[in-house]
Amino acid sequence: TQLLEQSPQFLSIQEGENLTVYCNSSSVFSSLQWYRQEPGEGPVLLVTVVTGGEVKKLKRLTFQFGDARKDSSLHITAAQPGDTGLYLCAGRREQTSYDKVIFGPGTSLSVIP
Amino acid sequence: SQTIHQWPATLVQPVGSPLSLECTVEGTSNPNLYWYRQAAGRGLQLLFYSVGIGQISSEVPQNLSASRPQDRQFILSSKKLLLSDSGFYLCAWSRPLPPWLDTEAFFGQGTRLTVV
Repeated sequence: TQLLEQSPQFLSIQEGENLTVYCNSSSVFSSLQWYRQEPGEGPVLLVTVVTGGEVKKLKRLTFQFGDARKDSSLHITAAQPGDTGLYLCAGRREQTSYDKVIFGPGTSLSVIP
Repeated sequence: SQTIHQWPATLVQPVGSPLSLECTVEGTSNPNLYWYRQAAGRGLQLLFYSVGIGQISSEVPQNLSASRPQDRQFILSSKKLLLSDSGFYLCAWSRPLPPWLDTEAFFGQGTRLTVV
């Protein structure tokens, strides 16, 4: 059973299109992180959100943490081929050790030139 | 600056053979260390984490073990590999902050293990 679900599992879009990927759970998280992973590499942190309703922007990427801190979304505007990769959300549930960060299964994004 | 080294990058091992993957961190003291396994195109499963020398927590029952003989060295081992041990293994570290503060995980380049 996945504590963090991500959707869609796969996404293939044309360069210039917008997209949104989602991270959902039935549990409350004290924080959520988004990572991007390229093939054969380790994940690299994009952002951490900690407050319910928080919105963070990183250039063309917009991250939102749900009001109830059970879900998050990542919106990419005008996608570019360099955005291609596996997007992983990760979080630490409330009432657990801060070491136990849980990862979702990821959304594999392919941006076609 | 901090760096993390993980080796080897790729490994092909026969079923029943032993395994030793090594990870070292430079530029920081007393890091929290992690071993994750990732199935192809999927998320990361936490296997072990350590908050100090000789302190290992196992997340899932498995054919693997971990050791931390030195502050910045983390080793993943197996006495006899199974086919199901194949995967992409990632070592990571994070700063030893208090539990109420969040910190990111910094990942190594990973080891692609194929058990044949």
